[in-house]
Amino acid sequence: SQTIHQWPATLVQPVGSPLSLECTVEGTSNPNLYWYRQAAGRGLQLLFYSVGIGQISSEVPQNLSASRPQDRQFILSSKKLLLSDSGFYLCAWSAPTTSGQGNEQFFGPGTRLTVL
Amino acid sequence: AQSVTQLGSHVSVSEGALVLLRCNYSSSVPPYLFWYVQYPNQGLQLLLKYTTGATLVKGINGFEAEFKKSETSFHLTKPSAHMSDAAEYFCAVTFRGSTLGRLYFGRGTQLTVWP
Repeated sequence: SQTIHQWPATLVQPVGSPLSLECTVEGTSNPNLYWYRQAAGRGLQLLFYSVGIGQISSEVPQNLSASRPQDRQFILSSKKLLLSDSGFYLCAWSAPTTSGQGNEQFFGPGTRLTVL
Repeated sequence: AQSVTQLGSHVSVSEGALVLLRCNYSSSVPPYLFWYVQYPNQGLQLLLKYTTGATLVKGINGFEAEFKKSETSFHLTKPSAHMSDAAEYFCAVTFRGSTLGRLYFGRGTQLTVWP
């Protein structure tokens, strides 16, 4: 069966510090991968998605970046955090769209980031 | 373009009462529709989905939803609410043939269940 991991679970960082959040998926190959952010009262915001190694698409301009160094690893980074980066970060995966499996996404447990 | 509107950011019901969470979608092509549930400080969990076939879809925890093309709706229902149903619920849409597998989410509905 497939599983998705995120770490750390919680993180408190000062403004201006760097960030690295990691997401890994097990039990599947060539998944689509996604990073979302939930800020209080603002629903789910798609930040990045990836259909393959080294292929990253950004949804919104911001001071965050994403990388996919391996097929089942997705990393969210920042060089200098802002107060507005606080939120709950969720990683998700879906089967390759060529599989015809209906595009449902499976979510990780999330990382709570607080920037002070 | 695809989009989802969830009517009511907060819904409160008594334990044992009917739960009805509303979702309307916009899609220029046949949609795939989903309901997810999120408990505090956890990721989203798939409740149910509609892709093709039967328009009444049954999911986990006693929830079901009906796809109504004429009304562009996919409302979530449960006959009798339980305290453990208190959570946030998200409706999402994508479409057949999506090359990126992207889901478009509604803003969520917070369900409160009173004893």
